[in-house]
Amino acid sequence: LAKTTQPISMDSYEGQEVNITCSHNNIATNDYITWYQQFPSQGPRFIIQGYKTKVTNEVASLFIPADRKSSTLSLPRVSLSDTAVYYCLVQRENAGNMLTFGGGTRLMVKP
Amino acid sequence: KAGVTQTPRYLIKTRGQQVTLSCSPISGHRSVSWYQQTPGQGLQFLFEYFSETQRNKGNFPGRFSGRQFSNSRSEMNVSTLELGDSALYLCASSLATVGNEQFFGPGTRLTVL
Repeated sequence: LAKTTQPISMDSYEGQEVNITCSHNNIATNDYITWYQQFPSQGPRFIIQGYKTKVTNEVASLFIPADRKSSTLSLPRVSLSDTAVYYCLVQRENAGNMLTFGGGTRLMVKP
Repeated sequence: KAGVTQTPRYLIKTRGQQVTLSCSPISGHRSVSWYQQTPGQGLQFLFEYFSETQRNKGNFPGRFSGRQFSNSRSEMNVSTLELGDSALYLCASSLATVGNEQFFGPGTRLTVL
């Protein structure tokens, strides 16, 4: 599976838009990109998933360029409660439900 | 709909003992996966069960084992506990097909003394 690289940490302020970019240079044709959020002492929570171009749901947007070697999770107008670790994952279509987590990005939202 | 439940939530054991953790998936979910989370190694996949069969296995020693019952409930067992097994053990359930959103439970915090 493609290795993912994302910033270790990011700081932001309430009300700002936050963009977290993930690099996955060796992504394969039948791989797709998924983002999870994790709060301390809780299990991860699914945020969004996509294969190409742009996906948007009620909490975030996911931008994937044509070459698919990177992706950007966009969180609009963050609040203090968005302080968490965000994981970018590459999932293979025929690999069962095994998730391979990298180090994640620790987002700190300040007042 | 009730979420994924894990029991117990906290556990303290001593080296050499064995432990069994339990996971009840969301109703209707047939895939159950287990993960270990430690500060040093992060989140690591242990194994996945689907319809009582192990479908995927991570890179863990044979001391770590699991099973799934006909009602999709799952257990994982760790034998001959080592200090390094201290971790948060997370269970996740999902619908049958690959790539579906996985729903994680709150985890079991295991401390090995």
